[in-house]
Amino acid sequence: EPEVTQTPSHQVTQMGQEVILRCVPISNHLYFYWYRQILGQKVEFLVSFYNNEISEKSEIFDDQFSVERPDGSNFTLKIRSTKLEDSAMYFCASSAGLSGETQYFGPGTRLLVL
Amino acid sequence: SQQGEEDPQALSIQEGENATMNCSYKTSINNLQWYRQNSGRGLVHLILIRSNEREKHSGRLRVTLDTSKKSSSLLITASRAADTASYFCATDLNTGGFKTIFGAGTRLFVKA
Repeated sequence: EPEVTQTPSHQVTQMGQEVILRCVPISNHLYFYWYRQILGQKVEFLVSFYNNEISEKSEIFDDQFSVERPDGSNFTLKIRSTKLEDSAMYFCASSAGLSGETQYFGPGTRLLVL
Repeated sequence: SQQGEEDPQALSIQEGENATMNCSYKTSINNLQWYRQNSGRGLVHLILIRSNEREKHSGRLRVTLDTSKKSSSLLITASRAADTASYFCATDLNTGGFKTIFGAGTRLFVKA
């Protein structure tokens, strides 16, 4: 069964450094998402992406964040200057369609900012 | 209250019993999804119910949606120890774009 993959599974970085989290969505999916989950808290929506542009973003998704689909398979989340509070699990998801379509989640990248 | 709130926050039952979790939301939605998350792991999609549907079944899962009350429930029948996990509802908002909001989740513990 096709699945969403994410790399790396874990990343440790120093505060102020840039990180790029990578996702490979399911191949025929058109809609892509990033979420984060701070330890012990709920999953928070960051951004949705369709047709090479951002569709919606949350208030969390400020100027330090950006997303890109650099080729036909990868979907990346860049955090430009990491802060301690960016430490969280980051999930990528994809869906075939918009409303009424299941979002399939990747296993997540655990980011630790020191 | 926030969009997508589950209750109870935690639920402990014996294997074989049924578990019911509820979710309430505030704004208009396109659909509502339930997910399971084992500790520290990824989210597993369980079931999606559209805004024009009232009930849906999948194996031991039964989901209801009452758009007039802005609420949904997830029933797991004949629970097993392997059902121990956190369960989240997620609402796809009717914003013109697409944005999914998760609730805080219900932590279910099924005792063998």
